[in-house]
Amino acid sequence: EVQLLESGGGLVQPGGSLRLSCVASGFRFSRYAMNWVRQAPGKGMEWVSYISGGGGTTYYADSVRGRFNISRDNSKNTLYVQMNSLRAEDTATYYCVKDYGNYPYYFDYWGQGTPVAVSS
Amino acid sequence: QSVLTQPPSVSGTPGQRVTISCSGTSSNIGFNTVNWYQQVPGTAPKLLIYSYNQRPSGVPDRFSGSNSGTSASLAISGLQSEDESDYHCAAWDDSLNGWVFGGGTKLTVL
Repeated sequence: EVQLLESGGGLVQPGGSLRLSCVASGFRFSRYAMNWVRQAPGKGMEWVSYISGGGGTTYYADSVRGRFNISRDNSKNTLYVQMNSLRAEDTATYYCVKDYGNYPYYFDYWGQGTPVAVSS
Repeated sequence: QSVLTQPPSVSGTPGQRVTISCSGTSSNIGFNTVNWYQQVPGTAPKLLIYSYNQRPSGVPDRFSGSNSGTSASLAISGLQSEDESDYHCAAWDDSLNGWVFGGGTKLTVL
């Protein structure tokens, strides 16, 4: 059974940093691209970042490029996102999301999400 | 402002057929497949339709997808109370090199 378990969310002040983690199980982690997708309260989904199975290809939404850094440790079956220079508009639930393959095709599994609140 | 455009809400009565539209551009829906996700409020989304009209195992055939040019649609026939959820469309955008979503559509079963 595929499981994605996020952690690391919380309350942070504007300008602060946070690192989210996602531990994956139930599939061969290194073979699949992974993503972070977020949802602000009462809003729709916003894709944040993508990383290929080997970690060599990454993409970012314009809204986070230069501030967020996605990475993965395939030996630990863990996906990360380092979030710096956080803003109020980054407040959202962050989901760890598995791609169907090692390329953008569709999201076949979602974690339960971890909330991030940016506020003073 | 979402890149893909969905109606904020739709409604129907049990047994009815409803459709949810998703409009995009040539760099996303016009060139790449559209996927649909169902989200019960307060929970994580789940895959409902992929590659325009394919259903994952376990999704009833009451749910179907279609596309035409730069638009796609999700149809739900034989509406049931448990279908009351938020529905999100998504596609890869070749110009942005990223996934784009619609704003989500809230389905109410009257």
